[in-house]
Amino acid sequence: ETGVTQSPTHLIKTRGQQVTLRCSSQSGHNTVSWYQQALGQGPQFIFQYYREEENGRGNFPPRFSGLQFPNYSSELNVNALELDDSALYLCASSPRSQTSTDTQYFGPGTRLTVL
Amino acid sequence: DQQVKQNSPSLSVQEGRISILNCDYTNSMFDYFLWYKKYPAEGPTFLISISSIKDKNEDGRFTVFLNKSAKHLSLHIVPSQPGDSAVYFCAASASTSGTYKYIFGTGTRLKVLA
Repeated sequence: ETGVTQSPTHLIKTRGQQVTLRCSSQSGHNTVSWYQQALGQGPQFIFQYYREEENGRGNFPPRFSGLQFPNYSSELNVNALELDDSALYLCASSPRSQTSTDTQYFGPGTRLTVL
Repeated sequence: DQQVKQNSPSLSVQEGRISILNCDYTNSMFDYFLWYKKYPAEGPTFLISISSIKDKNEDGRFTVFLNKSAKHLSLHIVPSQPGDSAVYFCAASASTSGTYKYIFGTGTRLKVLA
């Protein structure tokens, strides 16, 4: 059983560009969540996908968008990059069940730097 | 509005002693709480969780205590080991929200001294 993987590890972009980050969920997990972690802060929820549908969104503008594919891998797209988008982007997968407990397992993250 | 707070940015403990990390929350709808450990250049690693129907959960050296009336949880590590040195995040979620998003605190950096 493989864990959550993310690519690329690091990325440098300039302001105004677009970026796509990728995540491969842990085997058997049908839910993926994306978080942004700025320096010195805890992870902030961006959005969540369950069975290819968006299932909740945090306080992020529409230029942050995502996709989940039938194999439960996922993408995070950010358009019109701003300097404040520089952060560690984390994806987490979980096995959605009928219980209220839903432990999310995180990937290693993608460090995005916007110049 | 910081719904989950970790008021101690850092903590130093001698090896073999107890480490106690604290977390406070404001949203009474939270019913599931977790602790994650994070090393530099890695993603958060799940440590232990607790549902609001319990007040204590143990897993080896790690114990989480939940005080719902005080909206407070704590993580105890006994005995502390140098490998425990990391940033610890507490997180909370509300199952009734329909979205199992986690709200994280800002983290506490634990340093275990050999």
